[in-house]
Amino acid sequence: AQSVTQLDSHVSVSEGTPVLLRCNYSSSYSPSLFWYVQHPNKGLQLLLKYTSAATLVKGINGFEAEFKKSETSFHLTKPSAHMSDAAEYFCVVRGLGGGYNKLIFGAGTRLAVHP
Amino acid sequence: EAGVAQSPRYKIIEKRQSVAFWCNPISGHATLYWYQQILGQGPKLLIQFQNNGVVDDSQLPKDRFSAERLKGVDSTLKIQPAKLEDSAVYLCASSLLPNNNRGENEQFFGPGTRLTVL
Repeated sequence: AQSVTQLDSHVSVSEGTPVLLRCNYSSSYSPSLFWYVQHPNKGLQLLLKYTSAATLVKGINGFEAEFKKSETSFHLTKPSAHMSDAAEYFCVVRGLGGGYNKLIFGAGTRLAVHP
Repeated sequence: EAGVAQSPRYKIIEKRQSVAFWCNPISGHATLYWYQQILGQGPKLLIQFQNNGVVDDSQLPKDRFSAERLKGVDSTLKIQPAKLEDSAVYLCASSLLPNNNRGENEQFFGPGTRLTVL
């Protein structure tokens, strides 16, 4: 079965410092992996996705993630945090079985950005 | 382009009452999903439709939850009777039909309905 584990439930950074949100995945096949962001009272928004092309994936708002098969990781990074980055971030793997296009979400990491 | 619309945005009911949520997907999206997001957890898929047919409802508690998409466009999700543990945000998402042999296409999410069961 496919699953993702987000290693930190809360991350706090200062504005202008790097962001690292960690995610490990478990999959019996070559996975499709995603990062979604959820701002308060807003819908989930896709940040970036990995679908077996380049292992370094660039997304919106300066975020990127690197797929590392040997470490079964898909960590999300950003060189310099902005106040507007404060939100909940979800690492997601596409599941198999049942319906196609099924998304399996991690528990989420809440990112706080301090001035 | 208009996004996924959901209503109501908030609902408070007492346990054992009934409640219904409505979702209107992005125009032209054949696939519609309902997710349940309990506080502190990631969303969990409840049911997936393709047009007006159910593709996956393996995690839908069928003794109390039901969903329909009669004309293949908008959808309703109903809970009857509600329990305290049903308190959550109910998210609707939609996507185009799969565009590759892995059955993939981006899902677009609505703002959700926050349900509180007292």
